[in-house]
Amino acid sequence: NAGVTQTPKFQVLKTGQSMTLQCAQDMNHNSMYWYRQDPGMGLRLIYYSASEGTTDKGEVPNGYNVSRLNKREFSLRLESAAPSQTSVYFCASSEVRGRWPNIQYFGAGTRLSVL
Amino acid sequence: EDKVVQSPLSLVVHEGDTVTLNCSYEVTNFRSLLWYKQEKKAPTFLFMLTSSGIEKKSGRLSSILDKKELFSILNITATQTGDSAVYLCAVGHFGNEKLTFGTGTRLTIIP
Repeated sequence: NAGVTQTPKFQVLKTGQSMTLQCAQDMNHNSMYWYRQDPGMGLRLIYYSASEGTTDKGEVPNGYNVSRLNKREFSLRLESAAPSQTSVYFCASSEVRGRWPNIQYFGAGTRLSVL
Repeated sequence: EDKVVQSPLSLVVHEGDTVTLNCSYEVTNFRSLLWYKQEKKAPTFLFMLTSSGIEKKSGRLSSILDKKELFSILNITATQTGDSAVYLCAVGHFGNEKLTFGTGTRLTIIP
């Protein structure tokens, strides 16, 4: 019963460094999402992928890139990290064509600090 | 611009009390309203509501949607310390796969 798995759980970067956050789901879901969560801001969508091979920008895409590697995996890349990207990042997935298409299931999150 | 507003921002009550959390929305192409509970880590799904006036219930938690007045409430009766969490409201849309989230209500239950 893994669900949505994110790695790493914690990461500290220096300004200008790059890194990739990994996400994998084992529920055979079509859609996958990356969010960031900051105090007082709720969950804000960075990018999403409605199906394998497609990606679209969300509310706050600047400074990020994504890759939908296959149906299971959706990665988020920070090319040149900035302190403003210090946040908790969540990956989620959903079965859009199912009976309850809007229910998203979340990973445990990655806490990222950029110094 | 789609908007989901939750109130209150935070709430502190004693164990055994009943609480009501509010969520109002202004969105295009409304499809569903969802409630999530977030403790230390991942938000976990509680309810999804699509029809107005029909209560969803799970144990001590219940929720109802009013599509005319554009709001939903989440009730928790006989609260326990394990109910302490941030409760998130989100709205799903027809035509895309996105959810629009509110900022959440932080509920603290004092023993």
